[in-house]
Amino acid sequence: QVQLVESGGGLVKPGGSLRLSCAASGFSFSDYYMTWIRQAPGKGLEWISYVSSSGTSTNYADSVKGRFTISRDNAKNSLYLQMNGLTAADAAVYYCARDLSSGWPAYYGLDVWGQGTTVIVSS
Amino acid sequence: DIQMTQSPSSLSASVGDRVTITCRAGLPISRYLNWYQHRTGKAPKLLIYGASNLHRGVPSRFSGSGSGTDFTLTISNLQPEDFATYYCQENYSTPPTFGQGTTLEIK
Repeated sequence: QVQLVESGGGLVKPGGSLRLSCAASGFSFSDYYMTWIRQAPGKGLEWISYVSSSGTSTNYADSVKGRFTISRDNAKNSLYLQMNGLTAADAAVYYCARDLSSGWPAYYGLDVWGQGTTVIVSS
Repeated sequence: DIQMTQSPSSLSASVGDRVTITCRAGLPISRYLNWYQHRTGKAPKLLIYGASNLHRGVPSRFSGSGSGTDFTLTISNLQPEDFATYYCQENYSTPPTFGQGTTLEIK
């Protein structure tokens, strides 16, 4: 079945780095844009970044721009989020999601989500 | 960034009730508006795309309407599994911002 499984979360010190992964299965991964979304404790959903189906186009929220890098390996059906310079504000559950749209404005939404991986930033 | 404001922030209702959640965009966004359901500990689920289109597999008791700046999500005949947090998301421009969420609780 169509599935996304995130991994790579954990405890990291302020200023540290972490690389999240998202393994896709059950669909043609290379056909879809992919997105990272996060939810900080007690907060709502926050869009973080997207990558185009080919990986050549990316975009980031201002809150992570210059610190986070999204990438994908279509041969491995995998999506990644490299996170550097982590602060307490980055502590959250991170979700990867499949985007039915390709660019903006977009008529469709995020139709498949993973269960999330938790990032804790603490000394 | 386009600001998305949901109301109410929370509401209580009973099984079988009909509820409406409102989402207002800071700028006109045509019909580029999605609704998601998020149960605690679960992955969010797409309910409505393009303001009023039901995503496949979503029960017909969910419906969406609106265009421009004002949108609504209506849930008829509430079921126990509907008690969750609901988010609107504009998809008009980047970043595609979410509303702050509306938590639907059992009365």
